[in-house]
Amino acid sequence: DIVMTQSPLSLPVAPGEPASISCRSSQSLLHSNGYNYLDWYLQRPGQSPQRLIYLGANRAPGVPARFTAITSGTDFTLKISRVEAEDVGIYYCMQALQTPWTFGQGTKVEIK
Amino acid sequence: HLVESGGGVVQTGRSLRLSCTATGFTFDSHVIHWVRQAPGKGLEWVALISRDGRNADYRDSVKGRFAISRDNSKNTVIMQMNSLRPEDTAVYYCAREDYTIVQGNEYHYGMDLWGQGTTVTVSS
Repeated sequence: DIVMTQSPLSLPVAPGEPASISCRSSQSLLHSNGYNYLDWYLQRPGQSPQRLIYLGANRAPGVPARFTAITSGTDFTLKISRVEAEDVGIYYCMQALQTPWTFGQGTKVEIK
Repeated sequence: HLVESGGGVVQTGRSLRLSCTATGFTFDSHVIHWVRQAPGKGLEWVALISRDGRNADYRDSVKGRFAISRDNSKNTVIMQMNSLRPEDTAVYYCAREDYTIVQGNEYHYGMDLWGQGTTVTVSS
């Protein structure tokens, strides 16, 4: 199975400050179509997960522009330019290249 | 929308049948997944079923115990869970896989629609 490793696991951030979450895969997530099969999801407290990013760096419809994602080999990063109160929750990376699809451990973002 | 049902409290070794019912989209155009979340833990992918229901895949820990099926005429996916274990205790979500096709190639767009979850508790 592909192992996804996130860091940090906890991230307190002051409102308006930037935040960055890292995710590393144990093997390449590059599909034969040239895209990384890596998604990012946010699970707000008490809610179901929601899609933020797909194919490594593509923002899903309705996701604010303050969320960006970059890829570099097996390293993936989700960046929030200026954290807002509604960004609180647990962020997960997930690989969809091969089954079983696997998630990172999750990064809990909270407001300082 | 996706709506899960069928969760409950059962003893080890017993069975449960989860349902995931869809509304508002072309159901048979999408692969459907089950993802679970144990209390206080992270997300764990469980299984998927293809658009026509002919193909399914499972994580190793549930292979031979869980069976996923779908009835596209009823916009429903069923996951039959047998020989349940305490470690199967979790909230179970069904999720729709989004995709696009460009020049005959399919591209994964993530799981864009999730249900609210149904809780399964297996007591030992």
